[in-house]
Amino acid sequence: DTAVSQTPKYLVTQMGNDKSIKCEQNLGHDTMYWYKQDSKKFLKIMFSYNNKELIINETVPNRFSPKSPDKAHLNLHINSLELGDSAVYFCASSQAYRGDPNVLTFGAGSRLTVL
Amino acid sequence: QKEVEQDPGPLSVPEGAIVSLNCTYSNSAFQYFMWYRQYSRKGPELLMYTYSSGNKEDGRFTAQVDKSSKYISLFIRDSQPSDSATYLCAMRRSAGNKLTFGGGTRVLVKP
Repeated sequence: DTAVSQTPKYLVTQMGNDKSIKCEQNLGHDTMYWYKQDSKKFLKIMFSYNNKELIINETVPNRFSPKSPDKAHLNLHINSLELGDSAVYFCASSQAYRGDPNVLTFGAGSRLTVL
Repeated sequence: QKEVEQDPGPLSVPEGAIVSLNCTYSNSAFQYFMWYRQYSRKGPELLMYTYSSGNKEDGRFTAQVDKSSKYISLFIRDSQPSDSATYLCAMRRSAGNKLTFGGGTRVLVKP
């Protein structure tokens, strides 16, 4: 199936731990994103990579570090987890064509709970 | 105040009714307007997008953009229980990749 897939789907961990979420897309897109969705459903962009180059870096604590080994993969590592990091993290990808508004395809989300 | 405002709902309608959703925004630089549907525990999926002002229709869905009022709408005709989901509006400037989302409206279509 062509898709954006992210692992793990659920993550429960203690405050202070370090964790990673992985994302892969087989759509041939050149741009990938991390979005955070809080309990009120607001989706906020965190990072975006185009062909392995960081192009969007919103105001996010530097405990969050994205890494894109190639244009099909984008990982998110979080150090020293805090309670406020509990959220659903969505990976997305897009491909820009002339006249196309960079339509995003989202993964199913990774639900992070910090205890 | 957030750049994009959306009533969280829930909006409960009987099957077959017209669902009317809307968003207001403050940034006049937004040029692309999108609607995403998100089922529970799933990622958002694109329903429709429009560029600048005007209407666009796709099956039972109609999107409207009024840039002068900074107001966009989505109408769902002949609503079905399978339309029960959260609907998120999203907007973007003409250049760049950054989408700004509203908080979503939860819709419940009752059989």
